[in-house]
Amino acid sequence: DQQVKQNSPSLSVQEGRISILNCDYTNSMFDYFLWYKKYPAEGPTFLISISSIKDKNEDGRFTVFLNKSAKHLSLHIVPSQPGDSAVYFCAVESNTGNQFYFGTGTSLTVIP
Amino acid sequence: DAGVIQSPRHEVTEMGQEVTLRCKPISGHDYLFWYRQTMMRGLELLIYFNNNVPIDDSGMPEDRFSAKMPNASFSTLKIQPSEPRDSAVYFCASSLASGPEQFFGPGTRLTVL
Repeated sequence: DQQVKQNSPSLSVQEGRISILNCDYTNSMFDYFLWYKKYPAEGPTFLISISSIKDKNEDGRFTVFLNKSAKHLSLHIVPSQPGDSAVYFCAVESNTGNQFYFGTGTSLTVIP
Repeated sequence: DAGVIQSPRHEVTEMGQEVTLRCKPISGHDYLFWYRQTMMRGLELLIYFNNNVPIDDSGMPEDRFSAKMPNASFSTLKIQPSEPRDSAVYFCASSLASGPEQFFGPGTRLTVL
């Protein structure tokens, strides 16, 4: 059972435009929602997070939106840059402890 | 500061052999996690430790998998005997108790022939 789903395995965007990556989750008992970025041959690195009490968190070009009623999380990158090309994983943490679930990832390609 | 260190980076072995993956977490981190990444299932949490104590190993796929953390600076994930379906990238991550962010190592790419 996938607790976290990223239904788009890949996404291509022109440089300067907005990239929108989506994530759906199944359980309401999650406390934190995170996005990680992964380059080839490296481990994932933390990008941005949002707690369940908020619906938006912004950090520079990156904004995460949380829609709890729809159990939906999205990451907006604007403007997109070629260096943003990577695989993006969304992750959730349960409120019962350190239980984390990751999605299968979305490969973003930003075309110069 | 060094990040999470994993060794080896690549491991190729034959079916039936024992495989040991190693991890050194970031100094001072309370939690250590082992993950497996596959194309089909993404990143799966196998087991995690808090202050060297295994807390949840419900993600360990079979009894062939075992993990230990003898001290705060070292952990191993062992597969015995290994099978071709164990081929994947295995990540170790560590974190502080105060936040949800995890710091990942570079991973070990395991190939079982």
